[in-house]
Amino acid sequence: DGGITQSPKYLFRKEGQNVTLSCEQNLNHDAMYWYRQDPGQGLRLIYYSQIVNDFQKGDIAEGYSVSREKKESFPLTVTSAQKNPTAFYLCASSSTWDSVEQPQHFGDGTRLSIL
Amino acid sequence: AQTVTQSQPEMSVQEAETVTLSCTYDTSESNYYLFWYKQPPSRQMILVIRQEAYKQQNATENRFSVNFQKAAKSFSLKISDSQLGDTAMYFCAFMKLSIIQGAQKLVFGQGTRLTINP
Repeated sequence: DGGITQSPKYLFRKEGQNVTLSCEQNLNHDAMYWYRQDPGQGLRLIYYSQIVNDFQKGDIAEGYSVSREKKESFPLTVTSAQKNPTAFYLCASSSTWDSVEQPQHFGDGTRLSIL
Repeated sequence: AQTVTQSQPEMSVQEAETVTLSCTYDTSESNYYLFWYKQPPSRQMILVIRQEAYKQQNATENRFSVNFQKAAKSFSLKISDSQLGDTAMYFCAFMKLSIIQGAQKLVFGQGTRLTINP
């Protein structure tokens, strides 16, 4: 079945450490997105990518970095510059021609915590 | 920039009752889409219903329906005959309509935590 796979499900980070969250999709979608979810704040866009080797900052990109070397993959690195990284992270993808019927497909998320 | 506001952080109703979740938004766009997503305890995001701004008729999906008031920029979700499985976080979301293909960013509200009690 087609879908989005995020790994790991739970991740722990030590102070000053960079960590990378994985997101893989087999839906043949061009666009991919990363969101951060905090209690009472809904989902906020970190980065998005419309095409391979191209990505744009979202509303809260500081302290994060991404790459898009393959269509299927959009990893998110939480750097040591992100002072409050504890959150639930959701990856999503969308077809650029079918964005209304199913605006975005979501993965099951990664819960990141500080040790 | 668009903003989406959900003013009810939490709601609780008895099973089989009808419940309405509120959502307001602010935009200068004339063509856009609105969505309600459900996030159960498993935390998977599930699309519940969509509404095209150019359509006057309110969208309906089985027990779920919306009350779309474009002039008031209001988009509420009504759940009829509520079931225990409806217990979840519900997010209202806005998407601008673009004739240019590409990433379609969603703007989410803060969410409403709905609990259905037996």
